[in-house]
Amino acid sequence: DTGVSQDPRHKITKRGQNVTFRCDPISEHNRLYWYRQTLGQGPEFLTYFQNEAQLEKSRLLSDRFSAERPKGSFSTLEIQRTEQGDSAMYLCASSTGKGYTFGSGTRLTVV
Amino acid sequence: AQKVTQAQTEISVVEKEDVTLDCVYETRDTTYYLFWYKQPPSGELVFLIRRNSFDEQNEISGRYSWNFQKSTSSFNFTITASQVVDSAVYFCALSISGNTPLVFGKGTRLSVIA
Repeated sequence: DTGVSQDPRHKITKRGQNVTFRCDPISEHNRLYWYRQTLGQGPEFLTYFQNEAQLEKSRLLSDRFSAERPKGSFSTLEIQRTEQGDSAMYLCASSTGKGYTFGSGTRLTVV
Repeated sequence: AQKVTQAQTEISVVEKEDVTLDCVYETRDTTYYLFWYKQPPSGELVFLIRRNSFDEQNEISGRYSWNFQKSTSSFNFTITASQVVDSAVYFCALSISGNTPLVFGKGTRLSVIA
């Protein structure tokens, strides 16, 4: 059990650029979640998967955001045409029903 | 819809003091799960406890204890004899099945001063 891995840990991008983050869950965990956390706030749910199926998307997930989990293992979160308001920590978690394990997050700064 | 409220934004205590972090939740579901997580400056969310709605027994783990009261929809967290290493942001969270998205409170920033 190596935990949930997220890559990169930090990303600085210029406004208007596209960025992609990767999450590798714990191998036996079938559910994978993406959250966004801004300064001084709790994590806010974005979307989640069971295996490769995307089960739910939050209203926070605008059309510029897309997430995939093509083989039911790792997942990617892409943000197109980034805006300064996208600056946040993006957290990934996985679960089996007995609890949630979080990764260390990807901190995105849009300049 | 579910909601978690942590009314205390920031708390500052002197080392060895006891401190209680409050959590109030709202849900119409009869079955649900409550969680506490710790987020140190490194940013990773560290799991502390999970409690289901059918188990109102209080729990103690070392210096940590939790008081779950369904009558007041509260799940409070007490740290006894606080230490500087307890300084972090603490989040209370709720999920319906234990395998569906968590709903988090806004967190309480605890500072323990030596």
